[in-house]
Amino acid sequence: GQSLEQPSEVTAVEGAIVQINCTYQTSGFYGLSWYQQHDGGAPTFLSYNALDGLEETGRFSSFLSRSDSYGYLLLQELQMKDSASYFCAVRDTEGGSYIPTFGRGTSLIVHP
Amino acid sequence: DVKVTQSSRYLVKRTGEKVFLECVQDMDHENMFWYRQDPGLGLRLIYFSYDVKMKEKGDIPEGYSVSREKKERFSLILESASTNQTSMYLCASSLQPDTQYFGPGTRLTVL
Repeated sequence: GQSLEQPSEVTAVEGAIVQINCTYQTSGFYGLSWYQQHDGGAPTFLSYNALDGLEETGRFSSFLSRSDSYGYLLLQELQMKDSASYFCAVRDTEGGSYIPTFGRGTSLIVHP
Repeated sequence: DVKVTQSSRYLVKRTGEKVFLECVQDMDHENMFWYRQDPGLGLRLIYFSYDVKMKEKGDIPEGYSVSREKKERFSLILESASTNQTSMYLCASSLQPDTQYFGPGTRLTVL
């Protein structure tokens, strides 16, 4: 089995940097994905980390530490449009699973 | 661009009705998924399929069934809708399970 923990809500001001953490417990591990979902919209894929380290894509970066069972999504130069829910998802290796498990999501509120 | 479409954005049904939710993807993906999303509970997997006519139960399959007769289409069936199945239903497809493409969702209300 697996479990994921992420904060339910994070607030920040426009232009700031914010970090959304995700810790997980799995019996094996393939990788950690991040998705963004605006209110009323569909989740959209942001990033995937299978190896330790930082992956950067524009203003967004994602970090993974396999030894700590921990990852985070870093959003820089925050904009109002970044207000959304962010989900981490983990797929473990148990039983050759095709099934990622999603966290409950972190609601990011960006203030002017 | 990958496109995943769902048959309805909003649906209202009565308790006991049989409900069909359709999902179509245009990228020849092997994997397709059905989730329900409820406030505070995140995305919970109902069923997934890794090939035509193949299906596997997810975390919450009770009260649901699925059909995948063609690669591009994955249907979710509520045999006898109940009020506790009122939810947002999201379909997704993927080549790799870790990179899923979601449809716009169907908000189902069961009265």
